[in-house]
Amino acid sequence: KNQVEQSPQSLIILEGKNCTLQCNYTVSPFSNLRWYKQDTGRGPVSLTIMTFSENTKSNGRYTATLDADTKQSSLHITASQLSDSASYICVVSDRGSTLGRLYFGRGTQLTVWP
Amino acid sequence: EADIYQTPRYLVIGTGKKITLECSQTMGHDKMYWYQQDPGMELHLIHYSYGVNSTEKGDLSSESTVSRIRTEHFPLTLESARPSHTSQYLCASSTGEWTEAFFGQGTRLTVV
Repeated sequence: KNQVEQSPQSLIILEGKNCTLQCNYTVSPFSNLRWYKQDTGRGPVSLTIMTFSENTKSNGRYTATLDADTKQSSLHITASQLSDSASYICVVSDRGSTLGRLYFGRGTQLTVWP
Repeated sequence: EADIYQTPRYLVIGTGKKITLECSQTMGHDKMYWYQQDPGMELHLIHYSYGVNSTEKGDLSSESTVSRIRTEHFPLTLESARPSHTSQYLCASSTGEWTEAFFGQGTRLTVV
């Protein structure tokens, strides 16, 4: 069964600190992995997208890593800001269908305190 | 910023009413999706479309229906709303599996 598991479920950090969010998946055959940021009550916004051959991708203070062999990804946030408070969702796409189905994790709820 | 729009953002209606949630995108994307998301839970695919006149049901059983008469427009209709339909509905579009999936802001539906 294709699944995406994220940890931790929730995380509280102080402003200015770094943090790392984890994503494990069993989706096969793998196409790509995306990290989204979702503010409360709004739609997800893409942070990074990585294909099989990519190990690292950065977007400002966000750096995502991918290990396709162990089927793990992480999202590292550097020098956190209050505006980083949101849910971070790991999404994995398969290439077993023409649709390129998306499998969603439940997200990690990040809260940044001043 | 992605050019995909959902209306209304918030909707409170009575049981038994018929409603249509609108979704439009100006990017010319062939693939469009409707997801349902309860608070703190993952998104569940309820409908998708490969293109005009193509619609399919997703993983999560839903009493809603969709249509795709134009590329840019993918409305979702509930013929008779029930309290169990209370949820957030997210529309998305993409050009293919290698590209980004862009999401709308969502419609928060409450059925009383």
